Amino acid sequence: EIVLTQSPATLSLSPGERATLSCRASQNVVSYLGWYQQKPGQPPRLLIYDVFNRATGIPARFSGGGSGTDFTLTISSLEPEDFAVYYCHQRSDWFPTFGQGTRLEIK
Amino acid sequence: EVQLVESGGGLVQPGGSLRLSCSASGFTFSNYGMHWVRQPPGKGLEHVSVIGSNGENTYYADSLKGRFIISRDNFKNTLYLQMSSLTTEDTAVYYCVKDAYYSGRGWYDLWGQGTLVTVSS
Repeated sequence: EIVLTQSPATLSLSPGERATLSCRASQNVVSYLGWYQQKPGQPPRLLIYDVFNRATGIPARFSGGGSGTDFTLTISSLEPEDFAVYYCHQRSDWFPTFGQGTRLEIK
Repeated sequence: EVQLVESGGGLVQPGGSLRLSCSASGFTFSNYGMHWVRQPPGKGLEHVSVIGSNGENTYYADSLKGRFIISRDNFKNTLYLQMSSLTTEDTAVYYCVKDAYYSGRGWYDLWGQGTLVTVSS
């Protein structure tokens, strides 16, 4: 099983600031890495797939990068609605796995 | 409207069984792989099971030890999860999830609202 480790566990920032979230895989996942956003009381929503592709309707302030085992999700300028929990996800292995999540909170 | 609606959750005693259902609408259900993903209260996401579009390929999390069975009825546009020998560790919100690909090896592009399963005596 491929283990995904996200850092930091919690990130405290203010609206307008830049956020960088990290995800490290225990094995090479090539480009099969995505990101999901989850707000309280809601299901997760697909943000980024295949490392850097934005899902339908996702604003351009969200961007993904990386390759192999190290990946990042960047939010260029935080909006109030961006404060949520973010999960990375790999589908390289036959059985997909999620990271443990990064909570992005308002400072 | 494109949506997934789960049902069948509730309170069950340890050792008991439960069957979850997920009704799909607004898209051609038979064209896509489907998943169950669960989330224990206050915790992260755990992939439970996946089934390909034709129902012939299924995979499960190793931690389930053969207690769960995923199935689908493409005529009824419905996904199922039969759960047995439930333990308190199975307490979670269970999400029905649509895959972007027929194989079930793509991205999760549509999620239901989830159904809560509580295992307690």
